[in-house]
Amino acid sequence: GAVVSQHPSRVICKSGTSVKIECRSLDFQATTMFWYRQFPKQSLMLMATSNEGSKATYEQGVEKDKFLINHASLTLSTLTVTSAHPEDSSFYICSARRDLSNQPQHFGDGTRLSIL
Amino acid sequence: DQQVKQNSPSLSVQEGRISILNCDYTNSMFDYFLWYKKYPAEGPTFLISISSIKDKNEDGRFTVFLNKSAKHLSLHIVPSQPGDSAVYFCAAKESNFGNEKLTFGTGTRLTIIP
Repeated sequence: GAVVSQHPSRVICKSGTSVKIECRSLDFQATTMFWYRQFPKQSLMLMATSNEGSKATYEQGVEKDKFLINHASLTLSTLTVTSAHPEDSSFYICSARRDLSNQPQHFGDGTRLSIL
Repeated sequence: DQQVKQNSPSLSVQEGRISILNCDYTNSMFDYFLWYKKYPAEGPTFLISISSIKDKNEDGRFTVFLNKSAKHLSLHIVPSQPGDSAVYFCAAKESNFGNEKLTFGTGTRLTIIP
């Protein structure tokens, strides 16, 4: 069964709206979670690493004020796309890994975000 | 700059035969590699991994081979089954302390023909 739950699976909203996406690890604690973005026919691109109890680490070119990440507990990280615009339309997917060495990342099912 | 490349966007294989998916990388600092499988409308599922200290890792029908000198790895599935039809992603990382960043390829869509 799924070990990482991501919600919602699909969002359609108007330009200027802020959208929050949740990522939960279901049966393990995850000090670190990851947020990816995937454009059509491209690979998953890491946006940021979410660290429980501290600030997220953003990849180069990712606006931290645009993509707000909160990792308030060991099982929940949220990504908020603030004042979304059509160019933010994409597939966003999170992952989490167990706090042991060389454990693989387990992925949620992703969120398809469409901004009108 | 695509550091992990999967040059075949699609592959069709007859059921029961061997499926071979290929992946190349350019970053010599990568030392841990993973394969993920993805069905439509679902997230990637971890399949198998290999550390650079090995050249082969086997798990049931799945075997991953690593050729460090060629910066190439491959995933073999034998025998292929209809349920193996999915998109397969190769991923790589540098295992220095605290670094868990995965770099993904663009994926190969595998279709198993009954």
